[in-house]
Amino acid sequence: AQSVSQHNHHVILSEAASLELGCNYSYGGTVNLFWYVQYPGQHLQLLLKYFSGDPLVKGIKGFEAEFIKSKFSFNLRKPSVQWSDTAEYFCAVTPAYSGAGSYQLTFGKGTKLSVIP
Amino acid sequence: DVKVTQSSRYLVKRTGEKVFLECVQDMDHENMFWYRQDPGLGLRLIYFSYDVKMKEKGDIPEGYSVSREKKERFSLILESASTNQTSMYLCASSLKLAVYQETQYFGPGTRLLVL
Repeated sequence: AQSVSQHNHHVILSEAASLELGCNYSYGGTVNLFWYVQYPGQHLQLLLKYFSGDPLVKGIKGFEAEFIKSKFSFNLRKPSVQWSDTAEYFCAVTPAYSGAGSYQLTFGKGTKLSVIP
Repeated sequence: DVKVTQSSRYLVKRTGEKVFLECVQDMDHENMFWYRQDPGLGLRLIYFSYDVKMKEKGDIPEGYSVSREKKERFSLILESASTNQTSMYLCASSLKLAVYQETQYFGPGTRLLVL
C-alpha cells in the first residue's frame, strides 16, 4: 500500500514570502498525484493534479507543483503568498492503475499554512 | 458546478445511539466516498461505493456501515456511536470507475460529537 508524508505540520509566512510545501510518497509503481486545499470553513477542493506529461503542473491561484520521480516527491510552490492563502493543504496519491472495484487514494496528514499580513 | 451536500453540519449524539449521516450529489457521479478528518491525521477513507448497492471498505471501516440505494445518495451509519467516533466526516464523489483519474468533489462536512 502507498503512503504519503507531508513534512511540515504548520508553516507560518509573511505576505509576499515564497512557499514550498513538501510531499513525499511511497509506492513502487506509477502514480497520480493531487494537492487539495481547505480554506477555513470551506469545502476541501482540488488545487492541482498530475497524471502524466510535463512534471511541472500549474493549478489555481498561482500554485504549482513539480513531480520529481527520482525523489518520490510532489512539492507545492507559490512564489508570493497572500493572506487569503491561509488554509490547510493536503497532498494525495493514488496508483495510476487500479483494478475494477479497488480504490487506493491516500492523503497526507496535511500542512496548515498561516500567512501573516 | 458539482454539488455535494451533507444532511447536517453539526450533530451531537450520545454513546450507543445509532447515527445516520447522509450525503447527496447532483452530478450523476458513479463513485462516492466517506472519510473522517481528524487533526494531525489527515483524511482517512472509511468506505466507498462505485455503484448502487456496491460498497468497499476503506482503511478504517470498523464501527461503520454504509448504504447506497440510489446513485445520488450515500449514507454512513454508526450502528452504536462511541466517543472515539467524534470527528469531522467528509463525503466526496467522483465521475467514473477509473477513480485514479478523476477529481473528487467534497461536501462541507459533518462535525459529529459523541457524548
